[in-house]
Amino acid sequence: QVHLVQSGAEVKKPGASVKVSCQTSGYSFITYGISWVRQAPGQGLEWMGWITTNNGDTNYAHNLRGRVTMTIDAFTYTAYMELRSLSSDDTAVYYCARGYEWELDFWGLGTLVTVSS
Amino acid sequence: QSALTQPASMSGSLGQSITMSCSGTSSDIGGYNSVSWYQQHPGKAPKLVIYDVTKRPSGGSNRFSGSKSGTTASLNISGLQADDEADYYCSSYRSDNTLVFGTGTRVTVL
Repeated sequence: QVHLVQSGAEVKKPGASVKVSCQTSGYSFITYGISWVRQAPGQGLEWMGWITTNNGDTNYAHNLRGRVTMTIDAFTYTAYMELRSLSSDDTAVYYCARGYEWELDFWGLGTLVTVSS
Repeated sequence: QSALTQPASMSGSLGQSITMSCSGTSSDIGGYNSVSWYQQHPGKAPKLVIYDVTKRPSGGSNRFSGSKSGTTASLNISGLQADDEADYYCSSYRSDNTLVFGTGTRVTVL
C-alpha cells in the first residue's frame, strides 16, 4: 500500500526555520511528484509547491518564494520541506501529498507546526 | 494568488443529492481540465474524490460525480450518507504553473 509518513509536530519561535520530512513507500518514488499543502487552524487548504522526484525540479507558490525550499532524498524515498523566517501566520498543519499530474491522490497525515514566542 | 470560490456551506437530507460549485477564471478552471475535488473530515487529511473534472480514483465511490461548464466546476453527491458530512475543496491547475484550491464548502447531512 502507498504510505506517506510525516515527521512529528514542531514548536518554533518567530524567525526560526522548520524542516518537515515525508517518507514514502509502496510505489515507484520517481513516478509521482510531491506537493506540500498547508492548512492554518480553521482555514482552508493552501498549496505551497511541488517537487518532481525524478530530477528535483521545484515550483513554489508565489507568496512563499524565497522562504520555502523543497528537496528529495531519492535513496530513502523521502521528501523534505523547509520554511524559513517563521511567523505566527505560518502556524498550520503541513501535508505532503503524492501527485501524478495536478491531482493529489495520497496524503500524509500532516505535521502540526506551531510558531509561538 | 486568489482562491477559487465555493459556497461556504450546504446541507441536504439523507438519501438526497446535492451539487456544489467552484468558480474560477479562464486562467484556471476555464482553461484546463485539471480540476480535482477533495473530501476532508475534521482532523483528517484530505481525500481525493474526483480528478480531471470527471474521473474517480480507483476504488472511489460512484456517488460522487464532477462536471465543468465554462469557468465553473461542480461536484454532485448522490444518495447522501451521514459519512458525507465533511468539508469539500476543489482545486485547479493555473496558467502560471501553480495549483490553486477553493475556499471550501462544509456539507451538513440533515
